[in-house]
Amino acid sequence: AQKVTQAQTEISVVEKEDVTLDCVYETRDTTYYLFWYKQPPSGELVFLIRRNSFDEQNEISGRYSWNFQKSTSSFNFTITASQVVDSAVYFCALSEYSSGSARQLTFGSGTQLTVLP
Amino acid sequence: NAGVTQTPKFRILKIGQSMTLQCTQDMNHNYMYWYRQDPGMGLKLIYYSVGAGITDKGEVPNGYNVSRSTTEDFPLRLELAAPSQTSVYFCASSYPDLNSYEQYFGPGTRLTVT
Repeated sequence: AQKVTQAQTEISVVEKEDVTLDCVYETRDTTYYLFWYKQPPSGELVFLIRRNSFDEQNEISGRYSWNFQKSTSSFNFTITASQVVDSAVYFCALSEYSSGSARQLTFGSGTQLTVLP
Repeated sequence: NAGVTQTPKFRILKIGQSMTLQCTQDMNHNYMYWYRQDPGMGLKLIYYSVGAGITDKGEVPNGYNVSRSTTEDFPLRLELAAPSQTSVYFCASSYPDLNSYEQYFGPGTRLTVT
């Protein structure tokens, strides 16, 4: 069965610091999809990125970057020069190809990031 | 497009009462999902549907029922509310595109059972 572990429950940083959020996953599938979602204090879920298991290329989007390593089953998320507006709960999620057409998401328990001014 | 909409935003129920959480999407997505989020936890799948007339259980289906009579609507029914069902409920939808597994989420319904 699939599992996503976000070992960091809470992280606090001071504005402009870099911060990395860890995500470790377990799956028996060779084809799967990994996601990061952001949940700001307002409560909605905001999609950040999707990565396919066959694409290990790292990705950078502005201050955000993602490091996908199949060898360690990790999909870590780094925010460079953090800002107060980055304060939110961040969720890592996994969808296995073998879950069929339903493509259910399995979520980690989330990491609460607080960026202090 | 409004995306995924959910009503109500908040609700307080007494133990044993029933209610229906509404979810509607206007993106013509075949797939729809219901998740619950308990405090400090990630989301857990309650039920999902891959098209009108087709529903299936997720990880935590007990105490809930769903129906999918149209592509747009996917209501979640609580028959006998229990305190353990106090949670935030999210509805989501996605399109069966092999290149896009993204799920679009509604704003959530915060339910308290006392």
